[in-house]
Amino acid sequence: DAGITQSPRHKVTETGTPVTLRCHQTENHRYMYWYRQDPGHGLRLIHYSYGVKDTDKGEVSDGYSVSRSKTEDFLLTLESATSSQTSVYFCASLPSGGASEQFFGPGTRLTVL
Amino acid sequence: AQSVTQLDSQVPVFEEAPVELRCNYSSSVSVYLFWYVQYPNQGLQLLLKYLSGSTLVESINGFEAEFNKSQTSFHLRKPSVHISDTAEYFCAVSEGQSGGSNYKLTFGKGTLLTVNP
Repeated sequence: DAGITQSPRHKVTETGTPVTLRCHQTENHRYMYWYRQDPGHGLRLIHYSYGVKDTDKGEVSDGYSVSRSKTEDFLLTLESATSSQTSVYFCASLPSGGASEQFFGPGTRLTVL
Repeated sequence: AQSVTQLDSQVPVFEEAPVELRCNYSSSVSVYLFWYVQYPNQGLQLLLKYLSGSTLVESINGFEAEFNKSQTSFHLRKPSVHISDTAEYFCAVSEGQSGGSNYKLTFGKGTLLTVNP
């Protein structure tokens, strides 16, 4: 399996506080993605990166920002968390060329009270 | 824009029975297709994938899926299920070598397969 980790694995926070989730991969993959998983919705893309400092919005990007200053790290920030952002967040990576499956991290369960 | 429809949100079956989980997609370009499985309280694992070549793909634990371009489908089948196959199954599609898509995945909403004794 691709070496991809997420931190923290669990977090409880309060409405209005900033939150940053970290995704770290050791495979030198070019592409990285953030998804959220909610019951009845499957996984939905929040933001993605196609290289260092190259990012773009996904389907549900409102209220989220990302940064990628190094190949191995992709950060997801909730500037001011809301209860609607309570979810399980998954990070994924994909090697250059794209003809492969995405490799997923273990997920972060975020609860916003 | 691409989309994925999983026609059944829940599929209950008895152990050793056959099962089919249906997946249809919509895309205007060539696609890559995937089935991921999520066991309770775990992350996503790749079950099988279609990138090119043979339209019938198989997993190591007995699942298979067939890419049908004319029907835009990628149904998942297993001839005899086990209790341990109880999980949620997600179909996903990404645009292939057409470029510009950055291989973003679009997921279906998932099918919960429950295998009963």
